[in-house]
Parts: sequence; C-alpha cells; structure tokens
Amino acid sequence: EDKVVQSPLSLVVHEGDTVTLNCSYEVTNFRSLLWYKQEKKAPTFLFMLTSSGIEKKSGRLSSILDKKELSSILNITATQTGDSAIYLCAVESNTGKLIFGQGTTLQVKP
Amino acid sequence: ETGVTQTPRHLVMGMTNKKSLKCEQHLGHNAMYWYKQSAKKPLELMFVYNFKEQTENNSVPSRFSPECPNSSHLFLHLHTLQPEDSALYLCASSPPGADEQFFGPGTRLTVL
Repeated sequence: EDKVVQSPLSLVVHEGDTVTLNCSYEVTNFRSLLWYKQEKKAPTFLFMLTSSGIEKKSGRLSSILDKKELSSILNITATQTGDSAIYLCAVESNTGKLIFGQGTTLQVKP
Repeated sequence: ETGVTQTPRHLVMGMTNKKSLKCEQHLGHNAMYWYKQSAKKPLELMFVYNFKEQTENNSVPSRFSPECPNSSHLFLHLHTLQPEDSALYLCASSPPGADEQFFGPGTRLTVL
C-alpha cells in the first residue's frame, strides 16, 4: 500500500531557530514529491521535487529529495512566527495519484 | 487569494439532502481536483479532471458525484451523505504542463 509518513508530527521552536521536517514515502511509480504549507485556509504550494540531490530554495525555505532513501527534508532557517503552520508532504505517482502525509504542525514562539 | 473560488464556504446538510459544491477558476488551468480534509486525517485526493475528462477516482463512494462541464468549473454533487463525510472539501487547479496546484478556500461541510 502506498504511504507517506512525516516526522515529527508536531514541533515547537523559538524565533530564529532552524527546523528540519522529514518526509518518507513508499509509493509505486514515483513521479514527484511536493511540499505544501497549510495555515488556516487551503494549502499553499512550496516545492516540487523530481530529481534526487537537487536542492530547491525559496528564501529561508529549502528542500531536497533523496530517491535512494525514499525521503525528503524541508528546512526552514531563521524561523519567524509567520512560519507557524502545518507542513504537508505529498507524493505523486505516474498515474496521477497523490498521497499526502499526516503533516507536521510547526509552532514558532516569539 | 489564488484565483480559485469555492461556494458555498460553509454548508450544513441532513443525511437525506442533495446539495452541490462549486469550484471555479478563470486562470486557464486545464486540470481540476477535489480533495477531502477530515479532522486528524491526511488530505485525500478524491477526483481529478484533465480537460474535462475524469482521470482519477480514488475509490470514492458513489454518494459523491463530480461534474466538470468545462475546464473552468467543477462541481461535487452530494447525496445521502453520512456524518463521517463532514470535512473540509478543497478544490484545486493546475496549469497545463505544470504540477503546481492552486487551492481554493474550501467548503466546510457538516452532515447532521
């Protein structure tokens, strides 16, 4: 059965800290891995990763995929209270099926 | 604001009611999606439409019936739902040749 597992499930840090969120997967016919940020409203797309070892970066956020280890990490440096959200990882198969992990709830305290 | 709109934003319905959720985008996107987000469960993909054709149906019960009359509109028709169907229903769309998805604000559905 295809599955996506994220860890930790929740995390509390202070402003300025660096956090690393993990996503591991077992998905048949892997096509891409996606990261989303979900606040009170709908998820916001962050990154899509298809190639192993290539870092995607956007401001203080970066992500990298390791196809050998079937995993990805999302790094956030110099965290701010506005980074508080649920971070979702999803894996897409070649058939278009999209499987989401449970999410990591990040709370950044002032 | 992503340009994907959903109506209604909140819906309360009885188990015998028939209602429809609407999603609309005028972004030129060709793919549209319905997702279900239940409390304490991962986001679930329900249906995928590409160029108005349904390409994915993730074992969704027949009491949920999607309709895509054109590439800008997507409906989810609801009939004889169960209380466990109470959830946030999200619509998303994506542009041709891209995997990035733009989500609507969702419809919070409560089934009594």
